[in-house]
Amino acid sequence: DQQVKQNSPSLSVQEGRISILNCDYTNSMFDYFLWYKKYPAEGPTFLISISSIKDKNEDGRFTVFLNKSAKHLSLHIVPSQPGDSAVYFCAASNNAGNMLTFGGGTRLMVKP
Amino acid sequence: NAGVMQNPRHLVRRRGQEARLRCSPMKGHSHVYWYRQLPEEGLKFMVYLQKENIIDESGMPKERFSAEFPKEGPSILRIQQVVRGDSAAYFCASSPVVPGQGRYNEQFFGPGTRLTVL
Repeated sequence: DQQVKQNSPSLSVQEGRISILNCDYTNSMFDYFLWYKKYPAEGPTFLISISSIKDKNEDGRFTVFLNKSAKHLSLHIVPSQPGDSAVYFCAASNNAGNMLTFGGGTRLMVKP
Repeated sequence: NAGVMQNPRHLVRRRGQEARLRCSPMKGHSHVYWYRQLPEEGLKFMVYLQKENIIDESGMPKERFSAEFPKEGPSILRIQQVVRGDSAAYFCASSPVVPGQGRYNEQFFGPGTRLTVL
């Protein structure tokens, strides 16, 4: 049972345009959501997070939107840069916070 | 401030051997988590430890796998009698705060150990 799903395994975007990565979850107990970025042969790097009491969090070029009623969140990157090319993982946690439940990842390719 | 350290980065074992994976958390972090990533999949939680205590091992296979985080030294993930299905990337993460408090759930990941079982 996959509680966190990223339905797009890959996404290709032109440099300077907006990248939108999507994530759906099924567990209504999740109350904290995170996005991680991962390069090959490296560990995931924390990017941005959002608490369930908010619907938007912004940090520079990165914005995360949360729609609790739809159990959906998205990561917007604007403008996209070639260095953003990586695999992006959505992750979720409940109030106990011991573990993160990850989606399967979306590979983003930003073309120059 | 050094990040989370894992060694070895690559480990090759034959079926039936033992694999030992080490993780040193970031300085000041006393919470360690282990995750496994199978090829083309996301990371799956295995175990959460604090110093000398296993807090949550709900993601750990019941047999052959064990983890510890002693008072001194790194956290160890031990896999006995490895099988080909154990081949994966194993990531360790650490966090500075108790989950559920402050900037909770922000876990900092190490570079991983890639285990190959022949």
